Amino acid sequence: GQSLEQPSEVTAVEGAIVQINCTYQTSGFYGLSWYQQHDGGAPTFLSYNALDGLEETGRFSSFLSRSDSYGYLLLQELQMKDSASYFCAVNRQAGTALIFGKGTTLSVSS
Amino acid sequence: EAGVTQFPSHSVIEKGQTVTLRCDPISGHDNLYWYRRVMGKEIKFLLHFVKESKQDESGMPNNRFLAERTGGTYSTLKVQPAELEDSGVYFCASSTTWYEQYFGPGTRLTVT
Repeated sequence: GQSLEQPSEVTAVEGAIVQINCTYQTSGFYGLSWYQQHDGGAPTFLSYNALDGLEETGRFSSFLSRSDSYGYLLLQELQMKDSASYFCAVNRQAGTALIFGKGTTLSVSS
Repeated sequence: EAGVTQFPSHSVIEKGQTVTLRCDPISGHDNLYWYRRVMGKEIKFLLHFVKESKQDESGMPNNRFLAERTGGTYSTLKVQPAELEDSGVYFCASSTTWYEQYFGPGTRLTVT
């Protein structure tokens, strides 16, 4: 079967740094994506890693290690508006649909 | 640029009834996906269109679900007859690439 494991909840304070881990077991792997979802709204694309290493986009960075079947999303300088659910998702092959993890609820407090 | 739109936003129907969900993708996006999130569980893939063709429908739970994409534009997902376990949020997404998908706000379906 296909599985993506990520923590169910993470809490942090404004200004802090938080890392959300994702380990995956899938039959085939092409790339790892991260999506953000606020209060049941539309999931929004954050980042994508197809190769090992770190991708940086502003306050958010994403890392992938294909040999460890592991990735993480790093959120820096946390703000209250970052409180949301974060999903990792895998493409097993180019052009295929996403397989999602169950999501991590991030709560940022002041 | 208009985003992905879905209609209706909410639907409450009784078991055994029929419901049709509609998705309008971003103009020019050939890829259209349907996903479903059941309460407390992960977002699960249902099917994938490339233009008007079904590329992958391996996630469709059973033959009570029927999806169409007319002329490679909007798509509909019909559930007939609806069962209690069909309740959840149905998301549509469109894209030009497979990894950066643009999601609609979802249709919350409740079957009573």
